[in-house]
Amino acid sequence: QSALTQPASVSGSPGQSITISCTGTSSDVGSNNLVSWYQQHPGKAPKFIIYEVNKRPSGVSNRFSGSKSGNTASLTISGLQAEDEGDYYCCSYGGSRNIYVFGTGTKVTVL
Amino acid sequence: EVQLVESGGGLVQPGGSLRLSCAASGFTFSTYSMNWVRQAPGKGLEWISYISSVISTIYYADSVKGRFTISRDNAKNSLYLQMNSLRDEDTAVYYCAREGNVWLDPWGQGTLVTVSS
Repeated sequence: QSALTQPASVSGSPGQSITISCTGTSSDVGSNNLVSWYQQHPGKAPKFIIYEVNKRPSGVSNRFSGSKSGNTASLTISGLQAEDEGDYYCCSYGGSRNIYVFGTGTKVTVL
Repeated sequence: EVQLVESGGGLVQPGGSLRLSCAASGFTFSTYSMNWVRQAPGKGLEWISYISSVISTIYYADSVKGRFTISRDNAKNSLYLQMNSLRDEDTAVYYCAREGNVWLDPWGQGTLVTVSS
């Protein structure tokens, strides 16, 4: 199963909002609401920040929000901060065939 | 504190074998399904294997099927990945991650596997 498609990079100034898209197919992103997002800082392990499209785990800033329309999921970071710099990955839960399919990853730069 | 610590990575020649371990603490390991995810240098994340809490269900990505074997020892709070017939393209940081019911959380710090002659 192919990786989900994300833009290679997105940038914004402090305080601005940015949105990262994650495009799949009707067989993965479009088939259910089981999309999660992960943040990864350089040299660190990924950190879970969004589940089931738009739900935030305890402790995750409310500046992170998720949505989905058709085969495309999106992550929005509002009030961009320097600490938000890093790589972001979407992930679709696919069931038994290929349980987790990740996106290609997006590098977020705070200008 | 929930913690996952991987070990066992290193340099191995193509065609060789390696066994990774993941030590879990801070939660009831036996009640959680677990996963292995890898990340090649400078590349994205790739899920490679899943094992249910009572070892009744196991899945593999096509890229490792037939070469890698996931297992667990609930008495030792440990997850394993036996990797055989290693290839250059298996070079990656390997992470273990707890199954959170359709998400992965938390992740270990990772262990680097380098396949090279």
